[in-house]
Amino acid sequence: GENVEQHPSTLSVQEGDSAVIKCTYSDSASNYFPWYKQELGKGPQLIIDIRSNVGEKKDQRIAVTLNKTAKHFSLHITETQPEDSAVYFCAARFAGNKLTFGGGTRVLVKP
Amino acid sequence: EAGVAQSPRYKIIEKRQSVAFWCNPISGHATLYWYQQILGQGPKLLIQFQNNGVVDDSQLPKDRFSAERLKGVDSTLKIQPAKLEDSAVYLCASSSLARDRGNTGELFFGEGSRLTVL
Repeated sequence: GENVEQHPSTLSVQEGDSAVIKCTYSDSASNYFPWYKQELGKGPQLIIDIRSNVGEKKDQRIAVTLNKTAKHFSLHITETQPEDSAVYFCAARFAGNKLTFGGGTRVLVKP
Repeated sequence: EAGVAQSPRYKIIEKRQSVAFWCNPISGHATLYWYQQILGQGPKLLIQFQNNGVVDDSQLPKDRFSAERLKGVDSTLKIQPAKLEDSAVYLCASSSLARDRGNTGELFFGEGSRLTVL
């Protein structure tokens, strides 16, 4: 079935350190992997995405890597700042343009 | 550009009562989604529309949930009768079908409607 597993569920880092969140997906046919950030009381907002034809993508302090063989992808945040504190969700697109989300990672950046 | 609009933001009802949520997607977006987000979990797709047709409603509890998108624009999600386990945030999202200029079909979410069932 269509399943996305995300780890860890919570992550506490010191300001300036890096944060890494990992996800695995079930369907090898999936071709699109976005990451969303959700702040308290808001809807999720796309922060970065990657298609299956590339292995890595970077946008300033955030980067995503994809290993299609192992069916896993990761989000990397470098030089973390207090405003990075939020819940992060990975997702994978399955057949029929259906987007399935992971369970989320609550990131806390301590000043 | 206006974002996805949802109302009401908050609703408290007793079990067995009914409730309806409304969503107005971004102008021109053909695809509309309703997700259920239970506290501490990721969003779970309830139903996906393309224009006014249903693409996927496999996870919609059809004995109590219904949704419509009559003119291919705004949508309503109804729950009747509500159960305690329906307490959640109901998120509406929309996306464009266009795949030009590298568009990957990004989902744009509204702020959600928080339902509490007592």
